[in-house]
Amino acid sequence: DTEVTQTPKHLVMGMTNKKSLKCEQHMGHRAMYWYKQKAKKPPELMFVYSYEKLSINESVPSRFSPECPNSSLLNLHLHALQPEDSALYLCASSQGVGGLVKGNEQFFGPGTRLTVL
Amino acid sequence: GQQLNQSPQSMFIQEGEDVSMNCTSSSIFNTWLWYKQDPGEGPVLLIALYKAGELTSNGRLTAQFGITRKDSFLNISASIPSDVGIYFCAGRGGAQKLVFGQGTRLTINP
Repeated sequence: DTEVTQTPKHLVMGMTNKKSLKCEQHMGHRAMYWYKQKAKKPPELMFVYSYEKLSINESVPSRFSPECPNSSLLNLHLHALQPEDSALYLCASSQGVGGLVKGNEQFFGPGTRLTVL
Repeated sequence: GQQLNQSPQSMFIQEGEDVSMNCTSSSIFNTWLWYKQDPGEGPVLLIALYKAGELTSNGRLTAQFGITRKDSFLNISASIPSDVGIYFCAGRGGAQKLVFGQGTRLTINP
């Protein structure tokens, strides 16, 4: 299994809603990532988990709350979002946490298209 | 911070033509990655480069890691309709961080 899966594929939510995005990988990877991507822009890093612990938070607003229940799962909890948070949210994973060396490339999931009304 | 300058921003070509795009940086990178992203999907890793001067192929795709370690290019030979998409270069921007170029949008006229 060489896939990163994400659910749901699409999500529409109001500014008062609470929702969660889910990401799963079964490649035995120990690092997992959340990215946000706006139209016609490259992905922007939000969070990094290494060995199930949060290692990087790129100054993301607290209305985004990541969670790593185990080494295969990564969640992103959403609460009180703004319309400008509408974007494609991408999950990625990599073998380890030792930097970008051979065998430690990041693999991306298909993303969740989020629309905030 | 580190930035990658990717060009061209967009390309409009005829099916069967060869394509070339590149990424440059003002600072040295030890790794270059090339991803392709289809509309509404996540980026897919095409080629990874780890040594200066390295030339690597993946089917009709060929990528090279520049000798100065400040640039990389990606070539696609004999383009076909499924090559349409956005191509991103990426490099290591710090422990566990990727720095992305702005992308090259490829459109193919049949």
